[in-house]
Amino acid sequence: ETGVTQTPRHLVMGMTNKKSLKCEQHLGHNAMYWYKQSAKKPLELMFVYSLEERVENNSVPSRFSPECPNSSHLFLHLHTLQPEDSALYLCASQRGAGGNYGYTFGSGTRLTVV
Amino acid sequence: DAKTTQPTSMDCAEGRAANLPCNHSTISGNEYVYWYRQIHSQGPQYIIHGLKNNETNEMASLIITEDRKSSTLILPHATLRDTAVYYCIVRVAGTSGSRLTFGEGTQLTVNP
Repeated sequence: ETGVTQTPRHLVMGMTNKKSLKCEQHLGHNAMYWYKQSAKKPLELMFVYSLEERVENNSVPSRFSPECPNSSHLFLHLHTLQPEDSALYLCASQRGAGGNYGYTFGSGTRLTVV
Repeated sequence: DAKTTQPTSMDCAEGRAANLPCNHSTISGNEYVYWYRQIHSQGPQYIIHGLKNNETNEMASLIITEDRKSSTLILPHATLRDTAVYYCIVRVAGTSGSRLTFGEGTQLTVNP
């Protein structure tokens, strides 16, 4: 257990479904991230939130919609996904503004789009 | 952020030291060297980081050359559970929300 909890661990959804991924941390961290890891590819940064404000969106399609209601929770809302969106979705958090802190990652949600 | 170069794969015998190299010849003075590892289908795990001095913690040691153009992660007594992809990343610290960019990493296989 890393202190960053992602639910669900596995998700199978149809292309017309709407689902949400949840990430929760109670480490007192102020920055949270969504990463995507497709099969045999490096992790790709999707979104960055700092102090609950989105500070970066790496050209992610609008069918992925992040939400950060408070510093402990991060969501990724999914709508009308494609089979190529099947991947491991990872959430990470980082402590504080400034400093050189490492990231703490969750275990990920394995998403399969059928 | 500076780019890093790592070998694609390495093997190590169980109980021996694993030395994982990383080249970062374009590193800037304010960039730190971070190491993470990812065991299959899990989230990456932070291992260690440093600026210019050698660092040691309960997991590993980090040796950074004097010119900071390369570094080596040392797992002193590798176990089978250390089999993972190891990522060397250089990043400017000091800003919350500054991104961590992952490359291909080194697949370390620890053999019995």
